[in-house]
Amino acid sequence: GAVVSQHPSWVICKSGTSVKIECRSLDFQATTMFWYRQFPKQSLMLMATSNEGSKATYEQGVEKDKFLINHASLTLSTLTVTSAHPEDSSFYICSARWAQQGYNEQFFGPGTRLTVL
Amino acid sequence: GEDVEQSLFLSVREGDSSVINCTYTDSSSTYLYWYKQEPGAGLQLLTYIFSNMDMKQDQRLTVLLNKKDKHLSLRIADTQTGDSAIYFCAERENSGYALNFGKGTSLLVTP
Repeated sequence: GAVVSQHPSWVICKSGTSVKIECRSLDFQATTMFWYRQFPKQSLMLMATSNEGSKATYEQGVEKDKFLINHASLTLSTLTVTSAHPEDSSFYICSARWAQQGYNEQFFGPGTRLTVL
Repeated sequence: GEDVEQSLFLSVREGDSSVINCTYTDSSSTYLYWYKQEPGAGLQLLTYIFSNMDMKQDQRLTVLLNKKDKHLSLRIADTQTGDSAIYFCAERENSGYALNFGKGTSLLVTP
């Protein structure tokens, strides 16, 4: 089946530093990846849509300069949280869209827990 | 995005059936999904249903869709303690591929 990995699975950083989270589709090519954010006991909120080779599309209210997204290849998208603050602490989940031969589905990564001290 | 609503909590006894309900507002939704999330983990796709279907059954899972009322339900037969998790209902926007999630229903299965 289609597998999506995220790295790291958890990270603790100091306020003011930047953190990069990787999302990889391991056995399929994903032209589109999505980044979600989940607060404790809350739903997943879409942050941005990442398209390979082009700029990401950010949802309303998401600061594009703070959450930098790069989708350099068909199997890798990265989310960089710049100048992290404690309020950025959250569970970040990516998904990758697999579209092939009429099959169109999203597969989710296991998530990255970010704690900013 | 459009709203997806779920009840927040459900408790059932082991062996009973669980029914988790969801309502959505976007009448143009093409796919509706049920995901399971265990503590500290990502999302596991359980099942999905096309908007032109009324029912879908997959082993212990039965999904019912009432498109007129925009109501989706997930029935888990013979619920086990391992089914304890948060269940998210999600709809896919007709204009794209991103998913719009409900807040999740926390299912607790007691022995």
